[in-house]
Amino acid sequence: GDSVTQMEGPVTLSEEAFLTINCTYTATGYPSLFWYVQYPGEGLQLLLKATKADDKGSNKGFEATYRKETTSFHLEKGSVQVSDSAVYFCALSENSGGSNYKLTFGKGTLLTVNP
Amino acid sequence: DAGVTQSPTHLIKTRGQQVTLRCSPKSGHDTVSWYQQALGQGPQFIFQYYEEEERQRGNFPDRFSGHQFPNYSSELNVNALLLGDSALYLCASSLSILGERDYGYTFGSGTRLTVV
Repeated sequence: GDSVTQMEGPVTLSEEAFLTINCTYTATGYPSLFWYVQYPGEGLQLLLKATKADDKGSNKGFEATYRKETTSFHLEKGSVQVSDSAVYFCALSENSGGSNYKLTFGKGTLLTVNP
Repeated sequence: DAGVTQSPTHLIKTRGQQVTLRCSPKSGHDTVSWYQQALGQGPQFIFQYYEEEERQRGNFPDRFSGHQFPNYSSELNVNALLLGDSALYLCASSLSILGERDYGYTFGSGTRLTVV
């Protein structure tokens, strides 16, 4: 079945440092890929997405490129802020011919950014 | 524009009891999915409801059941609670558009269930 593996945390960085959170996936078809963020006490928010190979998703300074050859979707940000502290989840959704597909999540990576 | 509303926010139940969690989807959304998020883990798909029917189901036992009402709101019921059912239960709503990928999932803040 589908699965998502993301780097284990926690990740602790100083403000303005470069961030990379690795994510690889296993899927039988051609999934769409996502990064969600969860702030303390809140639900998940979609951060960015990519629906086909070589697509780059971007939002709020975060980027991730859909790499089919390496089955990866690594999250990057050039300069993190304290407000980026949260748990980040990589997820995929398999295209099975219908709509509203289920999401398969990784275990999450806790990011803490210190001032 | 209200997002996804879940109730209650927290609750504590005793092993063996039954619990009902509620979800009101984002305005305009017609599909509701439920996820279980154990502590320190990613959310796991439980099931999805559309047009008042269960359309997809994850790997969860029959103790987990659900319902969707004509106004698109949904309930998640768990019978014979186990300690391992303690988790954050997330509801996500979306708009079903046949023939297209629709990834407009909006998540609620969840219900924290503790089974003692």
